[in-house]
This record gives sequence, C-alpha cells and structure tokens, in this order.
Amino acid sequence: GENVEQHPSTLSVQEGDSAVIKCTYSDSASNYFPWYKQELGKRPQLIIDIRSNVGEKKDQRIAVTLNKTAKHFSLHITETQPEDSAVYFCAASIWTGANNLFFGTGTRLTVIP
Amino acid sequence: SQTIHQWPATLVQPVGSPLSLECTVEGTSNPNLYWYRQAAGRGLQLLFYSIGIDQISSEVPQNLSASRPQDRQFILSSKKLLLSDSGFYLCAWSQGSYGYTFGSGTRLTVV
Repeated sequence: GENVEQHPSTLSVQEGDSAVIKCTYSDSASNYFPWYKQELGKRPQLIIDIRSNVGEKKDQRIAVTLNKTAKHFSLHITETQPEDSAVYFCAASIWTGANNLFFGTGTRLTVIP
Repeated sequence: SQTIHQWPATLVQPVGSPLSLECTVEGTSNPNLYWYRQAAGRGLQLLFYSIGIDQISSEVPQNLSASRPQDRQFILSSKKLLLSDSGFYLCAWSQGSYGYTFGSGTRLTVV
C-alpha cells in the first residue's frame, strides 16, 4: 500500500506565527490528499484537502500545497491561535473502488499564547 | 444530512474475550465504510474497508474481522482479544472520492 511520512512529529509556535507541516508519499497513483485535525480524545476532522490536478488550495488561514513531481505536500497555518493546538494528520488516497486513505503519523502542534 | 454513529464509546475487555463494535450511517446510501485503529500516540491504521454489503477487504493481517450485513452497518469483531488489540477504533464513511467523516470512536482497553 501507500506509505506516508509526516514531519515534524511535534511543533511549538508562538501565537500569531506560522506553522508548516510536511508530508511525503510513495505511490505516484495517489490523487487525493486531505488533512485532518484531531483534538485530544476526539475524532479526526477534515480541515482541507487537495486533488492531484491542483497545486495549491487556500481556506482562510489554512493552505495546502502539492508537488506531484517530488511527491510531497504541506499544510500551512498562518496567524496561529491557541485553538489551533491539536494533532494534525496528512493522508494520501489510492482509489480502489473505495477511497482508501493512508495516514501519516501525525504532528502535535502547540500554539503558545 | 448524513450522520455516523459508533458505539460503545469505551470498552474494557479481558484478554481472550470476544469483541463486537458497531457503526451505522444515516442519510446516505451505498457509502464506502472503513475501520481504522489508532494506537496511543500513533497514526491511523486502515484495518478494513467495504464498498458494499458483504464486500469486505482487509489491509493488514490481524486478530480482527469485519462484516457488513446491511448497507449502512459495519461491524468489527474478534473471537479472542489480545493485549495488542488495545487502541482507539474509528469507523468512517465516504462517498465517491470525497473525504471521510469519522465516527466518534471506541476506546478499547484489553486487560
């Protein structure tokens, strides 16, 4: 299956600064790359996604970039706020009749007030 | 609107006991259904996926099995739990090539 690597595993930033989380994937057939935010003890929730025919997507303070040639994609959070503190997971999808997502190992983001 | 229900929320089971976790989806037909496991402090591992009734695929060999007796019902089972089965189990659904919606999860502790 697909292998997704995610870095860093932990990230601390001052409130108002930017945070960047990077992921690489192994299977060039992957074509869908969502990002999930998981607060402690809760379910992961989709925050943004990008498809392989797009290089960048932005939603307010969150943006995702995709480099298909290098097989890596990144999450950018600007003007971070304490409520952005959570674990963030990237994922890559291979279509097999189902949209199987393979997740990275997660990044624990802490925003320091 | 679509909703996904997963239960129980927490479960403590002895080693060797059976397991049954249930997940149901409302408000949609023929969803793709998934079971994931999240070990403490780790990522999400795909266990099973299903594209239709009685159509189950497994991603990793393990002590668990899954069934889909109805279109919107997905069940995760084990005949005999191992200590290594402890974790946070998440059911999810998707439609087409869109992102997942996860259930609220079951925290399983095998003692």
